[in-house]
Amino acid sequence: ETGVTQTPRHLVMGMTNKKSLKCEQHLGHNAMYWYKQSAKKPLELMFVYSLEERVENNSVPSRFSPECPNSSHLFLHLHTLQPEDSALYLCASSQDWRSGANVLTFGAGSRLTVL
Amino acid sequence: AQSVSQHNHHVILSEAASLELGCNYSYGGTVNLFWYVQYPGQHLQLLLKYFSGDPLVKGIKGFEAEFIKSKFSFNLRKPSVQWSDTAEYFCAVNSDRGSTLGRLYFGRGTQLTVWP
Repeated sequence: ETGVTQTPRHLVMGMTNKKSLKCEQHLGHNAMYWYKQSAKKPLELMFVYSLEERVENNSVPSRFSPECPNSSHLFLHLHTLQPEDSALYLCASSQDWRSGANVLTFGAGSRLTVL
Repeated sequence: AQSVSQHNHHVILSEAASLELGCNYSYGGTVNLFWYVQYPGQHLQLLLKYFSGDPLVKGIKGFEAEFIKSKFSFNLRKPSVQWSDTAEYFCAVNSDRGSTLGRLYFGRGTQLTVWP
């Protein structure tokens, strides 16, 4: 365990479903992130939250909706997804997102398949 | 925006062979450099990092990397690989200033397969 826990580990959903991914960090970090990992592509930063405030939205479609109720929890709400959204979604946390010496701790990921 | 290039997509080696994985980045300013590793079925974890000082940095499990500023490179090396090194390796870069402050850019990853 890394201190960053993601659930569920696997999710299969239809294009009309609504589901959520959950991330919890036990490290006392101030920043949390969602990344998308697709085969043969670089990790794509989706969202950054710092002290529960969204500080970056990297042009992510509105069918992905993040929520950060407190500094330890991060959600990614999913609705009307497309098959090309199938990927591994990684949550990460760090002490301070605005520092160049920013070391991220990642969770194990949630493998999403959209049918 | 910065970009990170990992030219080797899949490397296959026998145990005890030497390893070098290439990483080049595009940003011309001050950078921080990272290598992350993802073992099969496990989370991404930090292998080593460079912030400043000695350009040759050592990480876990016998890995090291050398920052060559003039070549915009941060290649990963290990003198003798083991079967347990089979994993995907990601190079990442961020900068200390500017609009991309703190934002981590990843390469596409290099899959290393080590045969026993």
